Amino acid sequence: DVKVTQSSRYLVKRTGEKVFLECVQDMDHENMFWYRQDPGLGLRLIYFSYDVKMKEKGDIPEGYSVSREKKERFSLILESASTNQTSMYLCASSFRTGEFAGELFFGEGSRLTVL
Amino acid sequence: LAKTTQPISMDSYEGQEVNITCSHNNIATNDYITWYQQFPSQGPRFIIQGYKTKVTNEVASLFIPADRKSSTLSLPRVSLSDTAVYYCLVGTWMDSSYKLIFGSGTRLLVRP
Repeated sequence: DVKVTQSSRYLVKRTGEKVFLECVQDMDHENMFWYRQDPGLGLRLIYFSYDVKMKEKGDIPEGYSVSREKKERFSLILESASTNQTSMYLCASSFRTGEFAGELFFGEGSRLTVL
Repeated sequence: LAKTTQPISMDSYEGQEVNITCSHNNIATNDYITWYQQFPSQGPRFIIQGYKTKVTNEVASLFIPADRKSSTLSLPRVSLSDTAVYYCLVGTWMDSSYKLIFGSGTRLLVRP
């Protein structure tokens, strides 16, 4: 089975801290995604990557950056966490590119609370 | 503006068939329609995917009309464990770039 593993299920950070959310997939997928999920707002795409060292902004990239140094790993970085970044963060991967989105495989999510 | 629309919530009883429809007027010509199920505090999980007409697997069926502007997820004989949020996902071209658009999700409550 495909496995997408997110490093932390729950994190509590303070305003202004730098936060790293790590995601690793074991199926050699080209595409990796970071979403955030908030009540009433559904899933919103922050960034995605279709290859190593490649990244594209999603719908809400402000306040975030990403890193993809290896194919299996995609990191989400909050340079200076703020309370409005309290959310559930979901990582996903897929093996298709272009118009064929294919099946997204999601991790279990990382619930971040910024105090 | 591309939009994927689903009902916010649905109620059902155990043993009934449930149909959840998603409208996606601007789906990309060659893209598939995918449905996901999500339980609280978990990531979404793939249920079914289709391009046109009808697709069936061991848990659901997916009906897609010829114009592909909508799709209907059909869950036969639901049980309490089917209580979850269901999302449709399609790809669309917006401003010369390809986007994946999730629906807002349908919260299904199955009652005994």
